[in-house]
Amino acid sequence: EAGVVQSPRYKIIEKKQPVAFWCNPISGHNTLYWYRQNLGQGPELLIRYENEEAVDDSQLPKDRFSAERLKGVDSTLKIQPAELGDSAVYLCASSSSGTSGSDTQYFGPGTRLTVL
Amino acid sequence: AQSVTQLGSHVSVSEGALVLLRCNYSSSVPPYLFWYVQYPNQGLQLLLKYTTGATLVKGINGFEAEFKKSETSFHLTKPSAHMSDAAEYFCAVSGYGQNFVFGPGTRLSVLP
Repeated sequence: EAGVVQSPRYKIIEKKQPVAFWCNPISGHNTLYWYRQNLGQGPELLIRYENEEAVDDSQLPKDRFSAERLKGVDSTLKIQPAELGDSAVYLCASSSSGTSGSDTQYFGPGTRLTVL
Repeated sequence: AQSVTQLGSHVSVSEGALVLLRCNYSSSVPPYLFWYVQYPNQGLQLLLKYTTGATLVKGINGFEAEFKKSETSFHLTKPSAHMSDAAEYFCAVSGYGQNFVFGPGTRLSVLP
């Protein structure tokens, strides 16, 4: 069974440029998460989807970040424009259900973003 | 509100020695607790989790953890460290209807 797929693995951009990250979750997983992991820290949730609905985006900086999950399968996270402080690893995870809180989340390898 | 504290950002042990990584949590609802491991340039992989039932939980690669409600702890142990255990370890807490909250992580080094 394929795991969570993310692309690109690495991205280097200049500040004020746009950037997008793509995630394909494990087949059959209804819940998809985007996390940001700063250097030396644990992941922090940005947004959670149940199927195609964003059910928790309270931590997503909406002035510059946007996300979509069309058809309830793969998802794209976009930053426009990027700032120096956005340099981090962006992790995508999926689970069969996010409602209970007890389901295991499976993580992709992440996209390491460097903003110059 | 939920939070996780991991005592010790960096732990070093000798190969063959006991591994003990500490995790304390705060939760306003009955907690679900998780330990994940992250190798360099990889995503997080589940080691073990506690939801309900037996408080001593066994995971992969010989790791285990014990849920102690009175101490609000979920420490991770392994009797004998192996070089391949060197990685970053994250404790996380959630609850029914709650999102995961991760701790800051502990980097484990295994010395030959």
